[in-house]
Amino acid sequence: ILNVEQSPQSLHVQEGDSTNFTCSFPSSNFYALHWYRWETAKSPEALFVMTLNGDEKKKGRISATLNTKEGYSYLYIKGSQPEDSATYLCAFDNTDKLIFGTGTRLQVFP
Amino acid sequence: DADVTQTPRNRITKTGKRIMLECSQTKGHDRMYWYRQDPGLGLRLIYYSFDVKDINKGEISDGYSVSRQAQAKFSLSLESAIPNQTALYFCATSDSGQRIYEQYFGPGTRLTVT
Repeated sequence: ILNVEQSPQSLHVQEGDSTNFTCSFPSSNFYALHWYRWETAKSPEALFVMTLNGDEKKKGRISATLNTKEGYSYLYIKGSQPEDSATYLCAFDNTDKLIFGTGTRLQVFP
Repeated sequence: DADVTQTPRNRITKTGKRIMLECSQTKGHDRMYWYRQDPGLGLRLIYYSFDVKDINKGEISDGYSVSRQAQAKFSLSLESAIPNQTALYFCATSDSGQRIYEQYFGPGTRLTVT
């Protein structure tokens, strides 16, 4: 059974703080890693899809890095805003299906 | 209009009842998926379908069945609902024509079994 782990489970930060969280996944048979952002009462929405070791992706204040050899990805949020409050999910893509981590729930306080 | 829709959005049902959750998509994708989300457990795959004639069990298929009525429609049934099937259920789609199978999610159905 493939195991995808995310840490921390939850995070509370002040507006303006920068933060980061981790996704760990199997380093063998890597195909792709997905990051999703899931706001309460909404659908999960894709943030990034990462495929190559050393990949870095950026969307506004949010960026992600990928290390396939050691099996981890980091998601960074620079200068957190209340609207960044959401659960951030990573998912290991084994070509047939996605295996999701349990998510990191971020709350940003004004 | 949303590309992936789910009906109903909320449902309360009693133990032992049969219930069907429906998913429709206008994205033209061939692959469809059903997940359930429980607090602290993330999204777990129930069933997935790569086309109308292809149905596959996921991680937690016991107690569930599915029907792919058309490329655009994928239904999830609970033949005899039990309280531990209380969860948030998501449908998702992806396109096998893409190199990376990014999934697009519906709004979710919150099911409560009493």
